[in-house]
Amino acid sequence: GAVVSQHPSWVICKSGTSVKIECRSLDFQATTMFWYRQFPKQSLMLMATSNEGSKATYEQGVEKDKFLINHASLTLSTLTVTSAHPEDSSFYICSALGLAGSYEQYFGPGTRLTVT
Amino acid sequence: SQQGEEDPQALSIQEGENATMNCSYKTSINNLQWYRQNSGRGLVHLILIRSNEREKHSGRLRVTLDTSKKSSSLLITASRAADTASYFCATGKNEKLTFGTGTRLTIIP
Repeated sequence: GAVVSQHPSWVICKSGTSVKIECRSLDFQATTMFWYRQFPKQSLMLMATSNEGSKATYEQGVEKDKFLINHASLTLSTLTVTSAHPEDSSFYICSALGLAGSYEQYFGPGTRLTVT
Repeated sequence: SQQGEEDPQALSIQEGENATMNCSYKTSINNLQWYRQNSGRGLVHLILIRSNEREKHSGRLRVTLDTSKKSSSLLITASRAADTASYFCATGKNEKLTFGTGTRLTIIP
């Protein structure tokens, strides 16, 4: 149980285009999901907290107009990187919060974004 | 929030030996969690220890937490080649996680 999927697993796009990444909880409902980015050989940095039915909460320094997050259902959150630039190239990972009262997060397999 | 520091940054040991990784943090926490990440993959949850706990075991894993020193350790006993991965500690506060810098563990067959 507690499986989280991401789609696509990798994507290459041209500078200036937008890319949408999906994060799904497959066998449980997730009212709260998180989006992280990870640069090579570095740790995960939290970008934003996605709550079903409400606006996402962004961490300091993360541009909300550039990284659009939508959490339209209890099993799906999407991250759209708008007007992508090469510096947006990174590994994007989502996670879903487990059962109420549990602090454990279930992570997706990640999406490798390369902007050319 | 400030990221935790992990020590060592990289560790190579022979298969069968024990591996110990340490994590220090700076802020108050509700819990501390350890995750494993294989290269280019997502994270796998290993163990969660609450702030009022001092030690926890799960199979070959043993985690300790010293809130007075703001530090935690992860011990992997009888290491196996499949344990080769990056290990991250993450401090939990109000459902958010702040990840440490990670330890790259290599098990030599």
